[in-house]
Amino acid sequence: EIVLTQSPATLSLSPGERATLSCRASQSVSSYLAWYQQKPGQAPRLLIYDASNRATGIPARFSGSGSGTDFTLTISSLEPEDFAVYYCQQRSNWPTFGQGTKLEIK
Amino acid sequence: EVQLVESGGGLVQPGGSLRLSCAASGFTFSSYWMSWVRQAPGKGLEWVANIKQDGSEKYYVDSVKGRFTISRDNAKNSLYLQMNSLRAEDTAVYYCARHTKSVHYFDYWGQGTLVTVSS
Repeated sequence: EIVLTQSPATLSLSPGERATLSCRASQSVSSYLAWYQQKPGQAPRLLIYDASNRATGIPARFSGSGSGTDFTLTISSLEPEDFAVYYCQQRSNWPTFGQGTKLEIK
Repeated sequence: EVQLVESGGGLVQPGGSLRLSCAASGFTFSSYWMSWVRQAPGKGLEWVANIKQDGSEKYYVDSVKGRFTISRDNAKNSLYLQMNSLRAEDTAVYYCARHTKSVHYFDYWGQGTLVTVSS
C-alpha cells in the first residue's frame, strides 16, 4: 500500500496570502497524484490531477507540482472560499488518500 | 449535468448487512470506472472499492475484503455496495464517485449516504 503523508496538518493564513501544502508518498507514484478540496458538509472536489493539471473550472490560482515522492499544492493568493480541507490522492487500482491539511483563516 | 445520488444508508447493528445504491445520470455510465469512497465522522477520505466499466475487474481495500461486494447494473445506470458483517469501524458517510476517463481519479461525487453501525 502506498502511504501519503500530508503536511502541515493545519495551516493558518489570511486572505491574500500564499498557501503551500505538501504531500509525500512512501514510494514513487511518478506524476500520478491528485488534489481535492473539501468543505464542511460537502463532497470533495477534484482540483489537480497528474500532479500539475487543473481540473475543469478550477481557478488559475491553484497550481500543483512535483513528481516521484514529493508534491506541492500552491494557492497563489487565498480567497475566502479557499479555506477548507485539502487531500492528496495517488491513482492505482488501490487508490489512497493523504490524511488531509486543514487550511484555516488566521 | 452529471448526477450521482446515493441511497440505502441507515442504522444497523454490528454483524448486520446493508446495501447501498448509487443512481447515475447525465453521462454514459457504462463508459466509466466507478468507486465507493467513505469518510468516518471527523476523519479523512478512504477509498473502499472500485469496479471496471463492464464489471470484469473489482478491487477492494483490505479492511473490507470478504465482507463488501461492489457491483453495477449498466442497464439501470446504477452502482451498488453490498456490505455484510458490518463493524463499528465501518460507520461513515459513503460516497459514490466517478473515475476520470483515463485514470483512477474521481471527478464527480454524490452527496453521500450515512451508515451507522451501532447496537
